[in-house]
Amino acid sequence: GENVEQHPSTLSVQEGDSAVIKCTYSDSASNYFPWYKQELGKRPQLIIDIRSNVGEKKDQRIAVTLNKTAKHFSLHITETQPEDSAVYFCAALNQAGTALIFGKGTTLSVSS
Amino acid sequence: DVKVTQSSRYLVKRTGEKVFLECVQDMDHENMFWYRQDPGLGLRLIYFSYDVKMKEKGDIPEGYSVSREKKERFSLILESASTNQTSMYLCASSFLAADGYTFGSGTRLTVV
Repeated sequence: GENVEQHPSTLSVQEGDSAVIKCTYSDSASNYFPWYKQELGKRPQLIIDIRSNVGEKKDQRIAVTLNKTAKHFSLHITETQPEDSAVYFCAALNQAGTALIFGKGTTLSVSS
Repeated sequence: DVKVTQSSRYLVKRTGEKVFLECVQDMDHENMFWYRQDPGLGLRLIYFSYDVKMKEKGDIPEGYSVSREKKERFSLILESASTNQTSMYLCASSFLAADGYTFGSGTRLTVV
């Protein structure tokens, strides 16, 4: 089945720096790749997603890039702020295209 | 705003008990999912459903079953609770499988 690897597991940056989280997936047929942010004690929330027909998508300080050939996608956060501190999860559709398989998460800490 | 409501925020059950976790969504979503979240393991898919009375096994279905008698409600059943099922359980729903999920607030289950 689909396997999603996420790195790093923890990331600490200074406020204003950029943060990059990377994920690889195993099933070349996967065509949907969302990113979720989970603040402490709260539910995961979708922050950005990308489909396989585009290579990059931006939303203000957040961007996601996709390399279908290499089967990896990345989340980029620019000008980080303390409120960006959270656990971030990447995901990809399973082989049947019926459910999301999640990475193990990255704990991002932004210090001011 | 899509709402996914999980009936209990915290639950303590004894080993061997049959446990029901309830999830209700109010946006007429076709797809509903159950994940468990454990530190360092991310979100792991237990079961999902793409239609009433339909269910599919995820990556870790052992020890669990599900029920979807109505479109808006998806129940997770622990047939005989064990201590290794102590976890945070998250329900989610979506209109399409390749779509953003809306998560519930989670049920933190402790089996003693």
